[in-house]
Amino acid sequence: AQRVTQPEKLLSVFKGAPVELKCNYSYSGSPELFWYVQYSRQRLQLLLRHISRESIKGFTADLNKGETSFHLKKPFAQEEDSAMYYCALKDVSSASKIIFGSGTRLSIRP
Amino acid sequence: GAGVSQTPSNKVTEKGKYVELRCDPISGHTALYWYRQSLGQGPEFLIYFQGTGAADDSGLPNDRFFAVRPEGSVSTLKIQRTERGDSAVYLCASSLSPGGNTEAFFGQGTRLTVV
Repeated sequence: AQRVTQPEKLLSVFKGAPVELKCNYSYSGSPELFWYVQYSRQRLQLLLRHISRESIKGFTADLNKGETSFHLKKPFAQEEDSAMYYCALKDVSSASKIIFGSGTRLSIRP
Repeated sequence: GAGVSQTPSNKVTEKGKYVELRCDPISGHTALYWYRQSLGQGPEFLIYFQGTGAADDSGLPNDRFFAVRPEGSVSTLKIQRTERGDSAVYLCASSLSPGGNTEAFFGQGTRLTVV
């Protein structure tokens, strides 16, 4: 069955410290992986997708098919990174629903 | 409009009543999704439309929930005989195409409270 697991409900780090938000997935097909972010009082929005291999706001995420992981990383956290982060997957080969994890609240301490 | 619009933003209803939640997707987006988000949880898939047809309704929890998209644009999520457990934020999203590499844009959600 399709599943996205984010083991941490809350992650609190100091400003300037490295950040890693964990995401593991279970999917038998060819998944497209995403990270979505929701800042306070704003709507859910796409942060980055694995196929683009991009860095957005200093965040990167590498798809590790062997470990079925798609962890989100940033070397130096900033206070404006505080938000809810959701890992999500979709079947890249067919039209389908997006499956979300339960989310991790990232809190950056000054 | 510039983004996905959902109305109302808040809805309080009594247990047993019928409610309709509306979603206006981004113009030209053929794919439309409905999600439900309970407190402390991630968005839970309900139903996905490609054009006018429901391509996947496997997430609808029971037959009290129904959604339509008659002209392939605006969609309405309908909940009959509401229960307190239906209280949640209902999110709508749309994307240009249903393919895997297209971004889904979300609305601000409708917060439904059943009392």
